[in-house]
Amino acid sequence: DVKVTQSSRYLVKRTGEKVFLECVQDMDHENMFWYRQDPGLGLRLIYFSYDVKMKEKGDIPEGYSVSREKKERFSLILESASTNQTSMYLCASSTLTTGANVLTFGAGSRLTVL
Amino acid sequence: SQQGEEDPQALSIQEGENATMNCSYKTSINNLQWYRQNSGRGLVHLILIRSNEREKHSGRLRVTLDTSKKSSSLLITASRAADTASYFCATDVGGNQGGKLIFGQGTELSVKP
Repeated sequence: DVKVTQSSRYLVKRTGEKVFLECVQDMDHENMFWYRQDPGLGLRLIYFSYDVKMKEKGDIPEGYSVSREKKERFSLILESASTNQTSMYLCASSTLTTGANVLTFGAGSRLTVL
Repeated sequence: SQQGEEDPQALSIQEGENATMNCSYKTSINNLQWYRQNSGRGLVHLILIRSNEREKHSGRLRVTLDTSKKSSSLLITASRAADTASYFCATDVGGNQGGKLIFGQGTELSVKP
């Protein structure tokens, strides 16, 4: 029962290409997040969203943008991919209705930029 | 900004032994959570401990929290080869950043059969 689905497990793109990473959750969660994970650096927050059409910058938003047109979908956009954006990208969602912010993660999207 | 720092970075033990991982953080928190990640996959939530709690158990997992030292530990008892994974602590600082978790760099655990 997959609850957070990332559309691509592996992508290979060229420098300068526009890249879309899609994430869909079926739990009616209000919060959605994009992290990137790099060896030795752990998980770093790129962008997050608390509601439809709403977005907040995380710790490393440069070079990225996001879109949340529907509650269940949160897209990460690399306008012009660069080699330093080669990474594992993790999408997550959560709800605060249970009183604690527990994240449910997708399986990850490993992006290679050549 | 990385709030959590984990220690050790890597840990190798034999099946049946206990594994202890530590996490330190810098600011006040609402709660602290531990996640597990199998190689190349997403993270899975293991356990949450609130700032007013000192210890919590879930199966073979035991988590402690010392808010005065700003530290937490995760103990896995009677480890199994299937416990081999990376383990991350994450802090929820609440406030106007409610909903945002800050992750540590993780401890890579290897359990040898």
